[in-house]
Amino acid sequence: QVQLVQSGAVVKKTGASVKVSCKVSGYTITDYYMHWVRQAPGQGLEWMGRINPKNGDTDFGHKFQVGVTMTRDTSINTAYMELRKLRSDDTAVYYCARLNDYNAFDLWGQGTMVTVSS
Amino acid sequence: QSALTQPPSASGSPGQSVAISCTGTSNDVGGYNYVSWYQHHPGKAPKLIIFEVSNRPSGVPDRFSASKSGNTASLTVSGLQAEDEADYYCASYADSNIWVFGGGTTLTVL
Repeated sequence: QVQLVQSGAVVKKTGASVKVSCKVSGYTITDYYMHWVRQAPGQGLEWMGRINPKNGDTDFGHKFQVGVTMTRDTSINTAYMELRKLRSDDTAVYYCARLNDYNAFDLWGQGTMVTVSS
Repeated sequence: QSALTQPPSASGSPGQSVAISCTGTSNDVGGYNYVSWYQHHPGKAPKLIIFEVSNRPSGVPDRFSASKSGNTASLTVSGLQAEDEADYYCASYADSNIWVFGGGTTLTVL
């Protein structure tokens, strides 16, 4: 079954780091770019960045060029997104999403709720 | 990169049609045919309903249609049904390997 399964919800303190995983099933992770998108409470979807799983190259939205790392482990078909120096406004649901050959996000993870509190 | 502009809300009665706009710039919507639309029910993952401006993935009803003119893309939902009530987002490729989403539109079926 083709799916993306993300790690579970977490609560973190301000200033801490969080690493969210996205396990790929049903296809080989290197076949498609993986993107990360977040949704803060009451807000819309926000594109964070992407990783080319073939070589690890990344691109980030302007807001996420500092403090965000995207990596992958091709041996276990898993992508990761790490967010450092967490602030309260990083509280959001984080999604991984596959970009298909038609430049659309056709497969999404179930989302990971990250709550940042002091 | 600024978010694409969508109306915050839209509504229609069952059976009616409603259109949702998505306005960007020549650096995103107007510059590329990589506009897509997503239906998002709260608590679930977004669902792709339109890709490359006007194409529907398999399984998406033909009640959903979309187009683009200049820097503005539009999604039309015809024959509104109760299950169409959701948030709708547009997305576009922008310059320099950047992607951008619209602010989202909450569709209410009256």
